[in-house]
Amino acid sequence: GAVVSQHPSWVICKSGTSVKIECRSLDFQATTMFWYRQFPKQSLMLMATSNEGSKATYEQGVEKDKFLINHASLTLSTLTVTSAHPEDSSFYICSARDPGQGPKEQYFGPGTRLTVT
Amino acid sequence: RKEVEQDPGPFNVPEGATVAFNCTYSNSASQSFFWYRQDCRKEPKLLMSVYSSGNEDGRFTAQLNRASQYISLLIRDSKLSDSATYLCVVNIDFNKFYFGSGTKLNVKP
Repeated sequence: GAVVSQHPSWVICKSGTSVKIECRSLDFQATTMFWYRQFPKQSLMLMATSNEGSKATYEQGVEKDKFLINHASLTLSTLTVTSAHPEDSSFYICSARDPGQGPKEQYFGPGTRLTVT
Repeated sequence: RKEVEQDPGPFNVPEGATVAFNCTYSNSASQSFFWYRQDCRKEPKLLMSVYSSGNEDGRFTAQLNRASQYISLLIRDSKLSDSATYLCVVNIDFNKFYFGSGTKLNVKP
């Protein structure tokens, strides 16, 4: 099956700093990647859809200036949480489509646990 | 109204039991349906896609009822390793996936 990696797997940062999370598709090229956030005991919430070579599409209520997404290549998308606050502490998960596997399935990275102190 | 609704559970069942989860979705234009499994503090993993005619994969059976807009997952002969949260996922169009809040299953020895 398709493999998606994320780095770092966990990070602790201070309020006001920025954190960059990387999402890589390891054995396929992903024209589309998705960024989700999951708070404890809640479901995954789609934050944005990242398209290679173009601007990300953000879901309603997600601040594009706070959550910067860059999808510079077919195997890498990055999410930068700018000026992080404690309420940004969450589990951030990316996923990617493998067009060679099927039109609808998505494969998830292992997630990044962000704690803002 | 949420796009996808699930009973959060938990469902506490003994080993060997049969357990069923339901999930309802609100958008009649939904195109594809999936069940994912998520272990604690891990990412979701695809369990199975759900096809209109229903489909089975070993001990797992998925059904789709478009008229009533619900999908179901049946697990037979539950194993301890089946303990997890099961997420119902609906695909509305090419890039729109909506997740249910998950149903927690605890299989007890």
